[in-house]
Amino acid sequence: SQQGEEDPQALSIQEGENATMNCSYKTSINNLQWYRQNSGRGLVHLILIRSNEREKHSGRLRVTLDTSKKSSSLLITASRAADTASYFCATDEDDMRFGAGTRLTVKP
Amino acid sequence: GAGVSQSPSNKVTEKGKDVELRCDPISGHTALYWYRQSLGQGLEFLIYFQGNSAPDKSGLPSDRFSAERTGGSVSTLTIQRTQQEDSAVYLCASRRTSGSYNEQFFGPGTRLTVL
Repeated sequence: SQQGEEDPQALSIQEGENATMNCSYKTSINNLQWYRQNSGRGLVHLILIRSNEREKHSGRLRVTLDTSKKSSSLLITASRAADTASYFCATDEDDMRFGAGTRLTVKP
Repeated sequence: GAGVSQSPSNKVTEKGKDVELRCDPISGHTALYWYRQSLGQGLEFLIYFQGNSAPDKSGLPSDRFSAERTGGSVSTLTIQRTQQEDSAVYLCASRRTSGSYNEQFFGPGTRLTVL
């Protein structure tokens, strides 16, 4: 089975800036999900984008999907210190394997 | 209803001892997952249960690790003869079905420290 691979591994920005994280995968998918993890505890589901969608918005989150490049990006606009967390993508394989994640630090 | 719960939240044990970690999934969720996460690292898939099917154990790192799921609900992850490298946060997640549009719900994790 495949897993999503996120990059960069770490990202540090100032509050108010936008943060962009990328995810690449290897085979065809039906959908892709993004999750957030605070402080090494459980992940929380953020957003799901389906293979027939190119872009999706949820509040300050914008997700894009390019199935031809097998990649997705997560954009957080007007970032806040509270957005500091690790972000993971996962594809729709039954066994839901995750990549190493992107560790985002938003400095106040 | 309640989310996924795990117990204990923290476990400190001595090298060589056996430990059992428990996961209570959301009621009615047929899919259950165990992951391991070392400090500053990503999630390492361990095992996946789906209904009454044979579990996918392909992520278990050694034969010291085993897991079972009784009655399609509660799951126990057992680590025998613990080693210091087993120290990590062990996360459990459940999913309503294995269908692709269902998100995972994670428990708070068990932080295992092997001295």
